[in-house]
Amino acid sequence: KQEVTQIPAALSVPEGENLVLNCSFTDSAIYNLQWFRQDPGKGLTSLLLIQSSQREQTSGRLNASLDKSSGRSTLYIAASQPGDSATYLCAVKWGNFGNEKLTFGTGTRLTIIP
Amino acid sequence: KAGVTQTPRYLIKTRGQQVTLSCSPISGHRSVSWYQQTPGQGLQFLFEYFSETQRNKGNFPGRFSGRQFSNSRSEMNVSTLELGDSALYLCASSHGQGLNNEQFFGPGTRLTVL
Repeated sequence: KQEVTQIPAALSVPEGENLVLNCSFTDSAIYNLQWFRQDPGKGLTSLLLIQSSQREQTSGRLNASLDKSSGRSTLYIAASQPGDSATYLCAVKWGNFGNEKLTFGTGTRLTIIP
Repeated sequence: KAGVTQTPRYLIKTRGQQVTLSCSPISGHRSVSWYQQTPGQGLQFLFEYFSETQRNKGNFPGRFSGRQFSNSRSEMNVSTLELGDSALYLCASSHGQGLNNEQFFGPGTRLTVL
């Protein structure tokens, strides 16, 4: 069964620290992996998309890596700020061409302490 | 470029009623996917439409249905509402072609069933 797991479920860190969020997935035959953030009661904001042929993607203070062989992805956030507080979700696309279905992890709720 | 829009943002219904939710994708996107988000089950895939055809379907009962119009706007219908249908319903749009499409989510419709 194709599953996505995110541990820990919650994380609190002081402002300014660098941090890493983890995502693991079964079945290494992925097409891509996408990281999202979700603020309470809101929709999902796309942060980074890593294609299966890529090892990492960067956007500002965010860096996402992908290791298909071990079934893992990490989201690195540098110099954390209170505005980074949100739930972070990773989502994997498996399946055949034309299949847009994403399988989501349960998310990590991040709190940045001022 | 306008993002994905969903209407209405909030809905309150009673058991047994039916409801229709609407999603307008990003201009040029032909794929619309629907997800249900609940605290207990997380984000679960409902179905995906591409060029007015249902291309993928998740494991939800037949009470959940959808359609897509020629302008790519999509509607989702839930009939005979149950208490357990209370959730945040999110739609996502993408180009729908190619293996590595980034998906963009709307703000969601919060449905409460009393």
